Amino acid sequence: EVQMVESGGGLVQPGRSLRLSCAGSTFTFKNYAMHWVRQAPGKGLEWVSGISWNGATIIYADSVKGRFTTSRDNAKNSLYLQMNSLRPEDTALYYCAKAFGVVIPADLHDALEMWGQGTMVTVSS
Amino acid sequence: DIVMTQSPDSLAVSLGERATINCRSSQSVLYSSNNENQLAWYQQKPGQPAKLLIYWASRRQSGVPDRFSGSGSGTDFTLTISSLQAEDVAVYYCQQYYSTPFTFGPGTKVDIK
Repeated sequence: EVQMVESGGGLVQPGRSLRLSCAGSTFTFKNYAMHWVRQAPGKGLEWVSGISWNGATIIYADSVKGRFTTSRDNAKNSLYLQMNSLRPEDTALYYCAKAFGVVIPADLHDALEMWGQGTMVTVSS
Repeated sequence: DIVMTQSPDSLAVSLGERATINCRSSQSVLYSSNNENQLAWYQQKPGQPAKLLIYWASRRQSGVPDRFSGSGSGTDFTLTISSLQAEDVAVYYCQQYYSTPFTFGPGTKVDIK
């Protein structure tokens, strides 16, 4: 079964940084675009960022552009989200999600087939 | 940005009855290269991550019960649960992946009447 496991969340003060990781297993990680989606407590889903299978294309929501950086290491089957200049409104459960892969390698413009359990980020003084 | 709206915000349906959720995008999400709508539906139960139900607006993901169906094209889409079961209580989201940012609708909460 496809698995993604996020880590790196925690409590951080406004203006500080945090780096999230997502480890993929039981699928050929390098073949799939990957995404970050977040969900503030009691709120809906917000797409945050996506990265193509080879890392050549990275896209961001306006709300995080210039502060967050997405990267991946296909040799380590891992996805990362470097979050700088954190704000209270960044408080959320952060999910990594695998692109569906109707076509392989899976494009960024694809549904999100499988999600991890998420890692909680709380930005507060 | 493409704005996604959903209606209703919530609905309560009797077991075995039909539930219908609507989703509208502020611009077309029809991808001309393959004539497919880049629209997905997800189900999220409390305390769980979202689960993909439907992609390309009407294609059921493997393992999803056939009581779930998606329809629509262009800017107007519908998710139908033909015979609501207790395990279908959840929040349902539509999402467009036609253009960035890949926006979600606000969600529709489905309960048992």
